Amino acid sequence: QKEVEQNSGPLSVPEGAIASLNCTYSDRGSQSFFWYRQYSGKSPELIMFIYSNGDKEDGRFTAQLNKASQYVSLLIRDSQPSDSATYLCAAEMNRDDKIIFGKGTRLHILP
Amino acid sequence: KAGVTQTPRYLIKTRGQQVTLSCSPISGHRSVSWYQQTPGQGLQFLFEYFSETQRNKGNFPGRFSGRQFSNSRSEMNVSTLELGDSALYLCASSLGGSLTDTQYFGPGTRLTVL
Repeated sequence: QKEVEQNSGPLSVPEGAIASLNCTYSDRGSQSFFWYRQYSGKSPELIMFIYSNGDKEDGRFTAQLNKASQYVSLLIRDSQPSDSATYLCAAEMNRDDKIIFGKGTRLHILP
Repeated sequence: KAGVTQTPRYLIKTRGQQVTLSCSPISGHRSVSWYQQTPGQGLQFLFEYFSETQRNKGNFPGRFSGRQFSNSRSEMNVSTLELGDSALYLCASSLGGSLTDTQYFGPGTRLTVL
């Protein structure tokens, strides 16, 4: 089992709709989770991090964490064409003290 | 505040050669992490340096090595290059006090091995 798994996509969402991105992780001891956005040809940039079970909101973005089910999700409300990018999920691997990235989900917002 | 800088931005080498990549972190950041990004494997952790010491290492062969200087600048070296080493190499800097400190990525070095 991959340590951090994401559906590679592409995920196509109409402009103005909610985009839902999902991620599962294998290390039950992981405590911290991150969502990065990477535009084509650019480097990743941090959108949000979440430590606690439940939801964390920041503007149009909401991160959700369910440690019992070992999944993290990112919701993007009122999707804009500028949200089209690859979204990388990352988890802190508690057992060996490093951050592991998923391969990313390509999101395409349809105008 | 200036961001993370990486040099060179592009590099073409042939198999068997070695290469050194450089990363200058954001001022005040003491941790530098290196990643390899390929379409097939995604973003893979190479190693992390903090205060001139390697604090963590990913699952890469010994051909991949690095170091960090007293000013927090870091270099990564790959010896005996293989075709499969062609990738985007990214470095990320953070304050370094905690593994969960926000990492800021540089623009990357695109390495092509022929």
